[in-house]
Order: sequence, then structure tokens, then C-alpha cells
Amino acid sequence: NAGVTQTPKFQVLKTGQSMTLQCAQDMNHNSMYWYRQDPGMGLRLIYYSASEGTTDKGEVPNGYNVSRLNKREFSLRLESAAPSQTSVYFCASTGTGPMNTEAFFGQGTRLTVV
Amino acid sequence: AQSVTQLGSHVSVSEGALVLLRCNYSSSVPPYLFWYVQYPNQGLQLLLKYTSAATLVKGINGFEAEFKKSETSFHLTKPSAHMSDAAEYFCAVLAGGGNKLTFGTGTQLKVEL
Repeated sequence: NAGVTQTPKFQVLKTGQSMTLQCAQDMNHNSMYWYRQDPGMGLRLIYYSASEGTTDKGEVPNGYNVSRLNKREFSLRLESAAPSQTSVYFCASTGTGPMNTEAFFGQGTRLTVV
Repeated sequence: AQSVTQLGSHVSVSEGALVLLRCNYSSSVPPYLFWYVQYPNQGLQLLLKYTSAATLVKGINGFEAEFKKSETSFHLTKPSAHMSDAAEYFCAVLAGGGNKLTFGTGTQLKVEL
């Protein structure tokens, strides 16, 4: 089915390890996002990409890097994981125009840093 | 800049009672507004959206929301709560023509017998 696919679904890292979260969408959307969700804090935007080749910082970018590899793929990298990065991460994408603005979400990655 | 405020992190209603979840937004340009629902251990699902057409928007599962520009609000309502409505609800804003989707902190809805 069409949608947003993110991998992995679960990950446990040790402090200082690195990892990349992968996200791909097949809806030909221009904009893609990475959010983290923590209890009581809603979804906070880490980075977003308005189009292929562009990325912008969101609300909580420190400790993360992103790559918009092509129109379909938007990856999130943790270079040196910290326990404060324990969270659930969601990738999302949106189209353009008033009839195509809703975000479609992946199923999430539950990351634990020990 | 744009922002969303959801009043009440937890709301509890009786089954069959009115559901009212509050959302106020701030946007310097005409916004697009959304309500999403999240069930435990799942992703977010769109309930409804406002994109400058009708101010009263109907969504899935009997939910609706009214855009009130004068009050900068987009409250979510459902006339009669069902046990299956228990979930977390998020309001979100996308400034018209922009690319940054901003979420509120969420409201956990509990439905009691």
C-alpha cells in the first residue's frame, strides 16, 4: 500500500553509538519531516525538508542530522546517541496545494538509548 | 511564526456525552488546520482538516471541528462519545503556503462507562 515506510521499528543503542533512521514515501510528496514524541510534549519537529535538496531545522535539531537523498527518501542520523534521545520517532510527508496538505505518518521508531 | 495550544492535556467524558477538545492557533498567514488521532503504540491518523473552504469541517468517526478566525480556534467535537474514541488527539497547523507542520502537545481522551 502507498504511504510512508520507516525503519527500524525498534532499536536499542548504547550511549555514544550512531544510527540512521530511514524513511521513504511513495506518494510523490515534496515535503518530509522528522518528529520525536515524548510523553506530555506532543510531537516536536526535529528537521524538515520542503523539497529535494533542501533541509531546515525544526524545534529540536541538536544531536541530529538529516539527508534528503531524493524525493522519496529522508533519513535521520544520530551521530553519538545520548539517553535524552530516547523517544519515539516519526517520519511524515505532505503534498502541496490546499487539497493535498495532510501529513501521512510512518508507524514510528521506538528508540532506547542506554 | 506559527503555534498551537491545546487546552487540557487530559479530558474525561462519560460514554454518550459530548466530546469537546480545544485547540487555539497562532499564525501570521491564513492557516491550514488539522486534527489527528493516535491510538496506543500506533502512528497518527488524520481525523479532519480545514483548508479555507467551509468553516465547519466533518471528519471520520463522527468528529467535526469549526474554524473560528475571530477566536483563532479550531475545537474538535463529537456529539456522543464512544469507548472506542479513547485515544490521544493532536491539533496541528500549517501556515498557508508554508512547509512547517506544527503540532500541539496533545489531549488524552478517556471515555468512562
